[in-house]
Amino acid sequence: AQKVTQAQTEISVVEKEDVTLDCVYETRDTTYYLFWYKQPPSGELVFLIRRNSFDEQNEISGRYSWNFQKSTSSFNFTITASQVVDSAVYFCALSKLSGGYNKLIFGAGTRLAVHP
Amino acid sequence: KAGVTQTPRYLIKTRGQQVTLSCSPISGHRSVSWYQQTPGQGLQFLFEYFSETQRNKGNFPGRFSGRQFSNSRSEMNVSTLELGDSALYLCASSLVLAGTWDEQFFGPGTRLTVL
Repeated sequence: AQKVTQAQTEISVVEKEDVTLDCVYETRDTTYYLFWYKQPPSGELVFLIRRNSFDEQNEISGRYSWNFQKSTSSFNFTITASQVVDSAVYFCALSKLSGGYNKLIFGAGTRLAVHP
Repeated sequence: KAGVTQTPRYLIKTRGQQVTLSCSPISGHRSVSWYQQTPGQGLQFLFEYFSETQRNKGNFPGRFSGRQFSNSRSEMNVSTLELGDSALYLCASSLVLAGTWDEQFFGPGTRLTVL
């Protein structure tokens, strides 16, 4: 069975602080995709990143960075120098690599509040 | 380029009724997936349609059904509504050119309230 755990329900930070959102996953598949999505108050899910299980290289995109560690089944997301616009609910998700990559298994989400 | 559109945006129904939600994917996208989002269960996959065929299904009762038309537009139907069906229903579309992964783009959702 596949499962994604986001243990942090809510995080509150002050602007310019760095914040890390944790994601731990379980899967019996040897190949899979991992994702992060952002859900602002408008409700639409916004894609942030996709990682496949072959690629453990960390990635940085502007203020965002992701740390994928297969050994600990974790795919953590760090926002550096957070801004008020980063306030949203963030979801980590998992899917099969083939034959079902659009069937996303989501974690419960972490609500991030960034205060001025 | 227009994004994924979902209609209606808000809906209020009573228990026992049925409801149909509509999703228009981004032009050219061939896959449409549906998700249910509730405070208790979070985001859960309902089903995915590709070329008018359901190719993936989540763990929902048979009251939840869907279909996809030749223009890739999709509808989902919930019959005999229950209070627990109150949720935000999200639709996502993706291109699917060669069977490899393409980004899913989500719509704003339809918020269904069952009284």
